Amino acid sequence: QQQVKQSPQSLIVQKGGISIINCAYENTAFDYFPWYQQFPGKGPALLIAIRPDVSEKKEGRFTISFNKSAKQFSLHIMDSQPGDSATYFCAAREGGTSYGKLTFGQGTILTVHP
Amino acid sequence: GAVVSQHPSRVICKSGTSVKIECRSLDFQATTMFWYRQFPKQSLMLMATSNEGSKATYEQGVEKDKFLINHASLTLSTLTVTSAHPEDSSFYICGAVGGNTIYFGEGSWLTVV
Repeated sequence: QQQVKQSPQSLIVQKGGISIINCAYENTAFDYFPWYQQFPGKGPALLIAIRPDVSEKKEGRFTISFNKSAKQFSLHIMDSQPGDSATYFCAAREGGTSYGKLTFGQGTILTVHP
Repeated sequence: GAVVSQHPSRVICKSGTSVKIECRSLDFQATTMFWYRQFPKQSLMLMATSNEGSKATYEQGVEKDKFLINHASLTLSTLTVTSAHPEDSSFYICGAVGGNTIYFGEGSWLTVV
């Protein structure tokens, strides 16, 4: 059962454009939603994260929009650059008394053309 | 920022042998670490949750006798793939909990020949 669904599978954007990646979840116990960036052959690196009590969070060119009622969240990359070309994963963490495990989306391969 | 180191980054082993992968949190203590497996162009699949001083919790379908996890200290967790077979070839990634965030290592490529 895929608990976090991510789309699109791949995305091509021109330099300077906006990249948008969407994720949806079903488990209402999720309480933390991070986005990770992964370059080929490397481990994922945390980009930005949001909690469900906040509708939007912005850090530099990266913005997360969160819709709690729809159980959806998205990553927007403004002024996309060729160096942003990577695979992006959304994730969701289960809440609880101890640190919950992360469930990842399927990933989006972003290609930014110069 | 918090740094998680994995070693080795690449390893080739013969079928039937065992191989150990180390995961260290270099500048913070991690009570909880996670081990993920990733096939090419696929997502990360959680294998097990490792808690310092206690037995690991394995995800459904992961053979605990094949993938031995030891979390002996607050900065080190190890994954041992026992009696490795070619189908165990994959990219293994550990994540360590620091504060309220999971920091991932650079991953370890395992090739079983």
